[in-house]
Amino acid sequence: DAGVIQSPRHEVTEMGQEVTLRCKPISGHNSLFWYRQTMMRGLELLIYFNNNVPIDDSGMPEDRFSAKMPNASFSTLKIQPSEPRDSAVYFCASSPPSFHQGSNQPQHFGDGTRLSIL
Amino acid sequence: KNQVEQSPQSLIILEGKNCTLQCNYTVSPFSNLRWYKQDTGRGPVSLTIMTFSENTKSNGRYTATLDADTKQSSLHITASQLSDSASYICVVANSGNTPLVFGKGTRLSVIA
Repeated sequence: DAGVIQSPRHEVTEMGQEVTLRCKPISGHNSLFWYRQTMMRGLELLIYFNNNVPIDDSGMPEDRFSAKMPNASFSTLKIQPSEPRDSAVYFCASSPPSFHQGSNQPQHFGDGTRLSIL
Repeated sequence: KNQVEQSPQSLIILEGKNCTLQCNYTVSPFSNLRWYKQDTGRGPVSLTIMTFSENTKSNGRYTATLDADTKQSSLHITASQLSDSASYICVVANSGNTPLVFGKGTRLSVIA
């Protein structure tokens, strides 16, 4: 099994530019999560999809952030326009079918995209 | 407020020694508690998941305990190895659709 695949692994761009992060979940998993990790705040959930439908986007910081899941094997997280405070590691995770986040199914994380906004 | 607090923030131990990491939480209603290991530059990897009725669970040299009454968990690492150097993150889930609550992790360094 290839695991959760994220791309790119690293992204460096100037503020104001559009950034698109990509994620391919594990085949058969129907829940997908986007997280942001910083030293100060640790891991924070941004948005959670179940069967390609956004269930909880309360963690999305502001309108500059958007996420889509057009099909079961692909998701994107977009930041437009980007700002220096968006610099962080962004993780995608997927889990097997479950009714809600509190289920006992483990989440499988990708290796993240390290984003630097100059 | 749902919170997960981990201690210590960081820890350095000699190879071969044991150590215990602590996690206190205020998440309610409780569904399960998870411990993840995160190597530098990698995503977190699940070590254990414990429900309300479980008070101990092992995964190799890792043993997690849960006291649902006092809302405390610990992760005990036996006979530490250099490869145990990582961040260990405690995560608590509640029974509904609200987000998982993450601790900020304990950074463990195992030295020769």
